Amino acid sequence: NAGVTQTPKFQVLKTGQSMTLQCAQDMNHEYMSWYRQDPGMGLRLIHYSVGAGITDQGEVPNGYNVSRSTTEDFPLRLLSAAPSQTSVYFCASSYSIWDAGNTIYFGEGSWLTVV
Amino acid sequence: RKEVEQDPGPFNVPEGATVAFNCTYSNSASQSFFWYRQDCRKEPKLLMSVYSSGNEDGRFTAQLNRASQYISLLIRDSKLSDSATYLCVVNIDRADGLTFGKGTHLIIQP
Repeated sequence: NAGVTQTPKFQVLKTGQSMTLQCAQDMNHEYMSWYRQDPGMGLRLIHYSVGAGITDQGEVPNGYNVSRSTTEDFPLRLLSAAPSQTSVYFCASSYSIWDAGNTIYFGEGSWLTVV
Repeated sequence: RKEVEQDPGPFNVPEGATVAFNCTYSNSASQSFFWYRQDCRKEPKLLMSVYSSGNEDGRFTAQLNRASQYISLLIRDSKLSDSATYLCVVNIDRADGLTFGKGTHLIIQP
């Protein structure tokens, strides 16, 4: 099925470990983004990209890296996992940021626990 | 800092009732407005856009008041399947994207 695919769905990490959350979309969307969702905090933007080769920081970028080497893929890297990064992560894509509200597609989420 | 505020609830409502909740936004430059629905342990999904003149989609009615900077969602004849968290979302039409409220939790009771 077309859409946004995130992997893994569940992951437990030890403090200090690194890992990559994968995100891929097959809709030829230019805009991709990563959000984290914590209880009582709503979705917060981590990083975003408006096209291949272009990335920028969102509201809560510390501790995360991204790259956008292709239009389809937008991986999120945790450099040295901390318990504060325990969260649900959503990747999203849309045709354009200027119409993101109407056209954004979310992946199913990745539940990450850092112990 | 841009903010979108919602009453977290929960709103406990009997099936068939009408329920309404509001959302306020702080940035007057906000350009577009949406209501999203999020089921437990699922991704958010667009419920409806909110237009200046107000708009309706079946049992759902959305209103925008730019002067007072708030958005509302009205659900008529509520169904058990309406139980979810409703997210107010604002777009300032900048590259850093959408701003999400924390959500209002709605529970429809039989």
